[in-house]
This record gives sequence, structure tokens and C-alpha cells, in this order.
Amino acid sequence: GDSVTQMEGPVTLSEEAFLTINCTYTATGYPSLFWYVQYPGEGLQLLLKATKADDKGSNKGFEATYRKETTSFHLEKGSVQVSDSAVYFCALSATGGAQKLVFGQGTRLTINP
Amino acid sequence: EAGVTQFPSHSVIEKGQTVTLRCDPISGHDNLYWYRRVMGKEIKFLLHFVKESKQDESGMPNNRFLAERTGGTYSTLKVQPAELEDSGVYFCASSQIQGLRADTQYFGPGTRLTVL
Repeated sequence: GDSVTQMEGPVTLSEEAFLTINCTYTATGYPSLFWYVQYPGEGLQLLLKATKADDKGSNKGFEATYRKETTSFHLEKGSVQVSDSAVYFCALSATGGAQKLVFGQGTRLTINP
Repeated sequence: EAGVTQFPSHSVIEKGQTVTLRCDPISGHDNLYWYRRVMGKEIKFLLHFVKESKQDESGMPNNRFLAERTGGTYSTLKVQPAELEDSGVYFCASSQIQGLRADTQYFGPGTRLTVL
């Protein structure tokens, strides 16, 4: 079945550091790919998404590119801030209309000032 | 526009008791999903409604879990009787139907369930 493998955490960085959180997937067809974020005490929020190969999703300085050849959707940010501290989830949904999300295990990110 | 709301935010019950969780989706969203995150593991799909019909309930763990969406608006998820392993955070999400591509799912804040 479909699956998502995410970089294990927790990840601790200093403010202004470069961030990469790795995400790879296994799926048939052409899934849509997502990054969701959960800030402390809040629910899941969509951070960015990409629906076809080579698409780049971006939001709040974060970027991820849908790489079909490597089945990856790595999350990057050039300069992180303390406010980026959260749990990040990579997810996919299969082709074909409204489909369930399949999530990775989540990566807890802590940014120190 | 109001987001997805869930009630209660927290619930602590004893093993063997019954708990009912409620989810109110975004108005006009026909798709409603339930997910669960147990013990810091990955978030796992439970089931999917399209309006009042169960489209996919392949993720429901066993027959102690019953989900309903009467009238195609809000949904309830009942656990009866609750077991220790049911503890976790239960998320609800909703989305619009949009052709052949999955539309964005909007999540509620979750209900944290603790079974003692």
C-alpha cells in the first residue's frame, strides 16, 4: 500500500540555520503531496502542496519540490525562525478524487534563539 | 468562514466507558474524514464520509468504533467500550469535492482522548 517515510526527529537548529526535512513516498500512479504543520497547542495546518511531478509548493519561506524520479518531497527553508518550532508532517493522497491522506510519522522541529 | 471544529478538546475516561466525539466540518464541504494519532506515531486514517454516506471505512480499528454523519452535516465518532489503546488524538478534516484531484483537507484542532 501507499506509504510515507519521513526524517526522524527531533531536529534542533539555531535561528537562521538552513532546514531540510526529508520525505520519501511509495505510491502507485501520481499522488498529490503535502506538508502539514502542527504548532504547539494547535491543530494541523496545510503548509504547502504539489499535485504533479516537478511542481514546487511554497509558503512562509518553506519550499518542497515533487520529484517523481526519486519519489521525494523534501521540505526546505533557508533561514528558520523560533516561530517555526512545530511538528511537520509529510503526506500523500492517491490519484482519483477525494482520497484519504497517508502521513509520515512527523518531525518535531525546535529552533533555538 | 468558520473552520473545522471538534468537541470536546480533551476527554479522560475509564476503560470500559463510552465516549462520543463530535466534528463540525466547514460549511459546504461534502467530504469529512476522521484520523487518529496514537502515542506520537503517524497520523492514521479511520474513515471518510461523502455527505452522509461512508465512502471508505477501511481504517476503523474494530467494531467498538462507530461513526455517523446524519444529514450530511456534523459527524460523531463513538467508542464503546473504550480500551487503553484507544488513547490518542482524534482529528477530523473536511474538503470540497473538486473533480479528479484531491482538494485540500482542512483539519480541526483534534480531541485528545485519554483512557485510564
